[in-house]
Amino acid sequence: ETGVTQTPRHLVMGMTNKKSLKCEQHLGHNAMYWYKQSAKKPLELMFVYNFKEQTENNSVPSRFSPECPNSSHLFLHLHTLQPEDSALYLCASSQVGGRSWTGGELFFGEGSRLTVL
Amino acid sequence: AQKVTQAQTEISVVEKEDVTLDCVYETRDTTYYLFWYKQPPSGELVFLIRRNSFDEQNEISGRYSWNFQKSTSSFNFTITASQVVDSAVYFCALNSGSRLTFGEGTQLTVNP
Repeated sequence: ETGVTQTPRHLVMGMTNKKSLKCEQHLGHNAMYWYKQSAKKPLELMFVYNFKEQTENNSVPSRFSPECPNSSHLFLHLHTLQPEDSALYLCASSQVGGRSWTGGELFFGEGSRLTVL
Repeated sequence: AQKVTQAQTEISVVEKEDVTLDCVYETRDTTYYLFWYKQPPSGELVFLIRRNSFDEQNEISGRYSWNFQKSTSSFNFTITASQVVDSAVYFCALNSGSRLTFGEGTQLTVNP
């Protein structure tokens, strides 16, 4: 059983819908991440939260809106998505020594498979 | 800028064969970390190993071994006596500074 839980595992939505992805980590880590994994592309870092503060937004379109209410929970709010946003969205957590990530391994959830029609 | 290259997109072997997955990285930093992750069909990335740039000792863990060579900027991963359960996508990653960069992954298929 993974220490990082993502729900839902599968999501199908229309371009006008609003939905959210949820991530919860049970590892006591202080940093959480959203990655996007599209077919035939490398993993793309989307957002980083250290100590509940967003420290990185990797030029992600505003139709993706992250929320980190505490160090154990991370959300990705989705609205007016495009078909090209269909992908596997992976959440990860790690223990960092400070505000920047310094080499700790990331622990990943099983991902949320998103299909935008 | 940092970059990770996994030149092998797909590898197919027969069970019990040994297989090596290549990883070449680029960074200007002198302190960095290298990782390997496994992604089985279920989706999650499973952490396999982390090495820091000052430790070039090769490591063996059961059927897995890693060969880190700074002179060639490579961090290769070998599975000995492969098994069907080893079938997955394997990612090499580099942490340099505050950024973690993944390679494009190698799809390994082990056939019975």
